[in-house]
Amino acid sequence: AQKITQTQPGMFVQEKEAVTLDCTYDTSDPSYGLFWYKQPSSGEMIFLIYQGSYDQQNATEGRYSLNFQKARKSANLVISASQLGDSAMYFCAMREGQGGGFKTIFGAGTRLFVKA
Amino acid sequence: DAGVIQSPRHEVTEMGQEVTLRCKPISGHNSLFWYRQTMMRGLELLIYFNNNVPIDDSGMPEDRFSAKMPNASFSTLKIQPSEPRDSAVYFCASSTPMGGEQFFGPGTRLTVL
Repeated sequence: AQKITQTQPGMFVQEKEAVTLDCTYDTSDPSYGLFWYKQPSSGEMIFLIYQGSYDQQNATEGRYSLNFQKARKSANLVISASQLGDSAMYFCAMREGQGGGFKTIFGAGTRLFVKA
Repeated sequence: DAGVIQSPRHEVTEMGQEVTLRCKPISGHNSLFWYRQTMMRGLELLIYFNNNVPIDDSGMPEDRFSAKMPNASFSTLKIQPSEPRDSAVYFCASSTPMGGEQFFGPGTRLTVL
């Protein structure tokens, strides 16, 4: 069965510093996708970054990068140069199989607080 | 280009009433997902459809919950009868066949009194 674990309920980071949000996963399927979403206090779910299990390089999207360590089954999100607007809930998610039409499971989330 | 549309945005109802939540996925997306989010249980997948066909409804909590997707541009999630513990934010999301991410709607905040 799929499992996603986010062990940090809350994190604090100083503005302009980098922060790493942890995510580990468990699957026996060789083909899977890993995602990070941001949920600000307004409630919407915003897609940030995606990593496929066969991707050789770590995914990057602007200030977001995904530190993908396949052997350790970890997919940590790194946010560089934190901004006050980064304060939000962050969810790691995993989908087994290729393509969009597969079941996706979300972790419990990490609440990030960016301090001025 | 419109994103995923959900209605209503807020719903307040009394215990025992029927509640219907609606979702219009992004045009061209063939997968649709219904999620429920609460403080206690986080984000839970209730059911998802591929090409209008329900694939996995193992997350539907009880028989009081039902979901339909009569066509590619419309889906409903119905709760009958509703109970206070159904109070939550219900999200609908859609994705493309080959895509990675799911695009989420704004959610429906349901309060059952």
